[in-house]
Amino acid sequence: EAQVTQNPRYLITVTGKKLTVTCSQNMNHEYMSWYRQDPGLGLRQIYYSMNVEVTDKGDVPEGYKVSRKEKRNFPLILESPSPNQTSLYFCASSLQPYNSPLHFGNGTRLTVT
Amino acid sequence: DAKTTQPPSMDCAEGRAANLPCNHSTISGNEYVYWYRQIHSQGPQYIIHGLKNNETNEMASLIITEDRKSSTLILPHATLRDTAVYYCIVRGWGAQKLVFGQGTRLTINP
Repeated sequence: EAQVTQNPRYLITVTGKKLTVTCSQNMNHEYMSWYRQDPGLGLRQIYYSMNVEVTDKGDVPEGYKVSRKEKRNFPLILESPSPNQTSLYFCASSLQPYNSPLHFGNGTRLTVT
Repeated sequence: DAKTTQPPSMDCAEGRAANLPCNHSTISGNEYVYWYRQIHSQGPQYIIHGLKNNETNEMASLIITEDRKSSTLILPHATLRDTAVYYCIVRGWGAQKLVFGQGTRLTINP
């Protein structure tokens, strides 16, 4: 089944403890992206990747890192998480960066205490 | 990307057609209209998109007015599982990201 898979679905951690949220897609998509969703602020883009080894900042990149060493994987790294990064995170992918529908994963709910 | 305006909430009876309006009066010629929905806190789900012609797929129909300033998403036979927040998004031809607004919370009633 074609899908975008994120892990874990839920994560509770403490301030400053490095964590990685994984994202993998099995559709051979070129483009991948991370969004966060917060009440009243909607979905906002964190980082995106046009292809392997090509990444760029979205609207809210502070405190996050990404890498795209393989086409299928696009992990989101929080080197030193803080409580303001408590949020619902979504990974998405599309065949091409433009004019292709984005397919979203089922989300990772992160709580930083 | 052009801004969209949607009603914050709508109700529809199960089995009836749900018609969700969207206003995008500042849309430009190379901008597409996309519709997504989000059921509870799941990932947004792509529904349909179009440029100027009406479009239909297995999920829904998209009707875009001739002047392209507004559109309507039609779910022909709504079921309880169609209860979700529906987002109308205008996306430029060269835009890599989606800009989500607040959407319309559609409730399907038995």
